Amino acid sequence: AQKVTQAQTEISVVEKEDVTLDCVYETRDTTYYLFWYKQPPSGELVFLIRRNSFDEQNEISGRYSWNFQKSTSSFNFTITASQVVDSAVYFCALSKKGNQFYFGTGTSLTVIP
Amino acid sequence: DTGVSQNPRHKITKRGQNVTFRCDPISEHNRLYWYRQTLGQGPEFLTYFQNEAQLEKSRLLSDRFSAERPKGSFSTLEIQRTEQGDSAMYLCASSPTGERYGYTFGSGTRLTVV
Repeated sequence: AQKVTQAQTEISVVEKEDVTLDCVYETRDTTYYLFWYKQPPSGELVFLIRRNSFDEQNEISGRYSWNFQKSTSSFNFTITASQVVDSAVYFCALSKKGNQFYFGTGTSLTVIP
Repeated sequence: DTGVSQNPRHKITKRGQNVTFRCDPISEHNRLYWYRQTLGQGPEFLTYFQNEAQLEKSRLLSDRFSAERPKGSFSTLEIQRTEQGDSAMYLCASSPTGERYGYTFGSGTRLTVV
């Protein structure tokens, strides 16, 4: 069975603080893909990153970075120097075959100016 | 191409009525997906199409739900005899074929059953 757990329901930080969003996944497959999506108040889910199970290299994109560790089945997301525009709900998702994504319950991030 | 388009954005209906939603995917994407999202939850898979073929349906998709993609382009999702529990955001997404691609989501249709 596939499962994604985002234990942090809500997080509040003051602008310019760093924040890490946790994601733990379960799968028995050796090949899979992990994703992060952002859902701002407007409601549309915005793709942030994809990582396949064979690539454990961390990735940095501007203020965003991702830490993938297969040993702990985690795919955590860090925002450095947070901004008010980062306020949104963030979803971690797991895809086995590409035809179905399993989403976590999301972490609501509020950045306070 | 401006992305995945969903209509209507909002729908309020009385319990027992039928509703139909439309999704226009990105034109070069041959996969199309429907998800449902309730408040405080992540999206849940309903069904997906590869071109015009409906290849997988979730157990969440009861007999009152039907989806079509007649020409492999736009898709419709119909809910018959709506119930209050059907109130949710219905999301459509599209992607190229291949598990390594992420989805492009539409803005969703918010259904309220009163």
